[in-house]
Amino acid sequence: AQKITQTQPGMFVQEKEAVTLDCTYDTSDQSYGLFWYKQPSSGEMIFLIYQGSYDEQNATEGRYSLNFQKARKSANLVISASQLGDSAMYFCAMREGRGGFQKLVFGTGTRLLVSP
Amino acid sequence: DAGVIQSPRHEVTEMGQEVTLRCKPISGHDYLFWYRQTMMRGLELLIYFNNNVPIDDSGMPEDRFSAKMPNASFSTLKIQPSEPRDSAVYFCASSPRVGALTDTQYFGPGTRLTVL
Repeated sequence: AQKITQTQPGMFVQEKEAVTLDCTYDTSDQSYGLFWYKQPSSGEMIFLIYQGSYDEQNATEGRYSLNFQKARKSANLVISASQLGDSAMYFCAMREGRGGFQKLVFGTGTRLLVSP
Repeated sequence: DAGVIQSPRHEVTEMGQEVTLRCKPISGHDYLFWYRQTMMRGLELLIYFNNNVPIDDSGMPEDRFSAKMPNASFSTLKIQPSEPRDSAVYFCASSPRVGALTDTQYFGPGTRLTVL
């Protein structure tokens, strides 16, 4: 089974509107971390936001927030007030907490296009 | 602070040639990771180092791939001989530590490798 599922291969949004990128995950661990990365056309992977499984509040970083619904095993990224520079691929990733090093497992990504 | 530095950014080579990719991690980061990104397989962890020592190379696809980290500020990923199916974007990432769920990996800009 896929550990991380991103069901939206592409999303479109108009500038200044909000957009939600979906991410669901599969784990039997109680302790895990969820990450979102942005990959613009230039290719680099940029860390955006982190949510821990025990965090009671949804993570926020500027215009980025994470809508964490633990019972549904979803960790959707919300981008408010979209900007043209937000056009990029977005990857959701998870690390499980079994102790020691656990690698990051990435989803297949969602391509976001912000139009003027 | 400078981020993770990779060189070259683009490499085009012919099948059978040796390819060497280079990475300089963020100063003070004890962990270094090599990833490969393809359309078919997404982002895969190839190998990671802790304090210059290879810890897990189970993701290295074949014996044609090798990685070294002679010191804390430099790592190489070598492919010899290269094949067209090695064409991908290769990322280097570094992290100050691992073991905590919050530990974030910071990625370099990637090297786009094309093997003809």
